[in-house]
Amino acid sequence: GIQVEQSPPDLILQEGANSTLRCNFSDSVNNLQWFHQNPWGQLINLFYIPSGTKQNGRLSATTVATERYSLLYISSSQTTDSGVYFCAVENNAGNMLTFGGGTRLMVKP
Amino acid sequence: EAGVTQFPSHSVIEKGQTVTLRCDPISGHDNLYWYRRVMGKEIKFLLHFVKESKQDESGMPNNRFLAERTGGTYSTLKVQPAELEDSGVYFCASSQGPFDTGELFFGEGSRLTVL
Repeated sequence: GIQVEQSPPDLILQEGANSTLRCNFSDSVNNLQWFHQNPWGQLINLFYIPSGTKQNGRLSATTVATERYSLLYISSSQTTDSGVYFCAVENNAGNMLTFGGGTRLMVKP
Repeated sequence: EAGVTQFPSHSVIEKGQTVTLRCDPISGHDNLYWYRRVMGKEIKFLLHFVKESKQDESGMPNNRFLAERTGGTYSTLKVQPAELEDSGVYFCASSQGPFDTGELFFGEGSRLTVL
């Protein structure tokens, strides 16, 4: 099946700093989503982005499907951004999302 | 519009007991999925319904897990009997479908603790 790798696995930031999270995948995809799992375990949709660039407030994401990667940018980080960020993809042969291992982010005040 | 709702949010049971988790998808969504994240591991697919039919249940770990989707509306996931390794967070998701998966919308998860 499709492989999804996220980097870095862990990230510690000072409040106000910017960061870039990366998601590499091993096959062509027709769906890619970014999620934030908050400290209470809730999984929050951030972006549905099989290709192109989207922005939502301090967050933006870019997927370069031909090169099989996606990036999530967090600007001016806040303590509430802490949690685990997951990338998940669906390839052309499947009907399910395959999740990466996540990036655990801690933003310190 | 209401999102995907799951119940209960947290369940604590003893090994050998039974637990039933419920998921109400977004109204009108044909696709319904169950995923879970057990301690320290990745979020893994369990199964996929299209309306009331099981489209893919390749991720179900064993026959202690039973999922149903009566009338193509809400779904239940029963674990019987529960084992310690079943502890984790069980997520439900839905998408419009039926043919294209499209964007999946996840519920807040049901945390299961087996003692």
